[in-house]
Amino acid sequence: AAGVIQSPRHLIKEKRETATLKCYPIPRHDTVYWYQQGPGQDPQFLISFYEKMQSDKGSIPDRFSAQQFSDYHSELNMSSLELGDSALYFCASSLAGFNEQYFGPGTRLTVT
Amino acid sequence: AQSVTQLDSQVPVFEEAPVELRCNYSSSVSVYLFWYVQYPNQGLQLLLKYLSGSTLVESINGFEAEFNKSQTSFHLRKPSVHISDTAEYFCAVSPNYGGSQGNLIFGKGTKLSVKP
Repeated sequence: AAGVIQSPRHLIKEKRETATLKCYPIPRHDTVYWYQQGPGQDPQFLISFYEKMQSDKGSIPDRFSAQQFSDYHSELNMSSLELGDSALYFCASSLAGFNEQYFGPGTRLTVT
Repeated sequence: AQSVTQLDSQVPVFEEAPVELRCNYSSSVSVYLFWYVQYPNQGLQLLLKYLSGSTLVESINGFEAEFNKSQTSFHLRKPSVHISDTAEYFCAVSPNYGGSQGNLIFGKGTKLSVKP
């Protein structure tokens, strides 16, 4: 069965650079969630989208923005990167009415 | 707001021994409950979930968890662990918005280490 796809899997950036992470949900899933997991930390919710509209917002810095496109894929844009942004970024997708989120393999972002 | 407390950050256990990973939550609204497993350098995999109905839920690989509303707990158990169960386990809740799920709130995780 198709799973959530995230790209790239690994990304190395320097401080103050920008990064774009992509998430392709499971086909027919209409909801996308973004989570950030720092080293040795639990995943923290950043933002979610339902039917291309932002549905909820968590601890997402103002330097980050995200959107969901007409094909339901989502992109997380990160600007003015800081060392503390180094983390594993997960995308999860679900189908409205079905209470289960499926996680992608994550993008490991390293900021140097 | 919701919060999740996993009481043990690390649990070492010998192979074939029983294990219990504890999880307590607090919430002012009804919630759904989940256990996720994360193997080293991998993503999160859903292990089991409680949405409604029977308070005892089971996974296909021998884990079970019981929802206890009065104690606001959702402890994970396995009667006999294997080396391959070594991983980090996250308890999570999400608010129940009248049948729809919100974002997940995770506990700090419990690292299960199974020794031969």
